[in-house]
Amino acid sequence: QKEVEQDPGPLSVPEGAIVSLNCTYSNSAFQYFMWYRQYSRKGPELLMYTYSSGNKEDGRFTAQVDKSSKYISLFIRDSQPSDSATYLCASSLYNQGGKLIFGQGTELSVKP
Amino acid sequence: NAGVTQTPKFRILKIGQSMTLQCAQDMNHNYMYWYRQDPGMGLKLIYYSVGAGITDKGEVPNGYNVSRSTTEDFPLRLELAAPSQTSVYFCASSPGGGKGNTIYFGEGSWLTVV
Repeated sequence: QKEVEQDPGPLSVPEGAIVSLNCTYSNSAFQYFMWYRQYSRKGPELLMYTYSSGNKEDGRFTAQVDKSSKYISLFIRDSQPSDSATYLCASSLYNQGGKLIFGQGTELSVKP
Repeated sequence: NAGVTQTPKFRILKIGQSMTLQCAQDMNHNYMYWYRQDPGMGLKLIYYSVGAGITDKGEVPNGYNVSRSTTEDFPLRLELAAPSQTSVYFCASSPGGGKGNTIYFGEGSWLTVV
C-alpha cells in the first residue's frame, strides 16, 4: 500500500466549476500536508501548506485535512483554464524537513 | 531572484556512462534535496542534506551519490547509468526549522539513458 494515494485522473471540468481533489494516507504520524501544482515540463510549486487537521483558505483554493479519516482535500472555486495542471498532494512527519511522501498526482484540465 | 537552478535541462546518456546533475540555490537554505519523478509515480526522495558537509539517503538512493561542500550547491552524481534511471530529476531546498516543510523546487532535469 502506498503511503499517500491519489487518483491520477485525468479530470476534465468546464470553466467556473468547483474542483475537488483528494488524497488518502496511511501513516497516522504524518503532521504536515501540502498541495503542489505542477505545470507541464515545470517543477512543482507549493500551493497550500497545512499543519495537522483543519481547513486553510487562500483565494480560490481551500485545503482540508481530516486526520481521523486520513483524508486530504483541495477545493478550487471558479476554476480557470490557467488552473490546468497536475496537482500533487504530499505529507511528511513532524520535523522531517522536506522529506515528503507524494501522491501520484492528479491531472486537471479546465475547459473554456 | 533565481531560486533553485538546475543544469542541464536535458541529457541523453548511454548505458554505463556517468554524469553529474548540478543544483544551486541562492536563498541561503540549509536543507537541500534531490527527487526523481517517474510517469504516474509521483516524486521520490533520492538524497537530502541538512547543511554543508551533511548528507543522507532518501527512499531511492541506489545508483546515485551526492556531496554538499557549500550551502549553495548540491550536485547529484550518477555512476554507471542504467535505463531505470531514465526520469525527471528535481532539486529542491527549504529553510529548515519551522519552515522546513515548505520546500521550493527547481525546473527539473530530463535524463534519458539509452
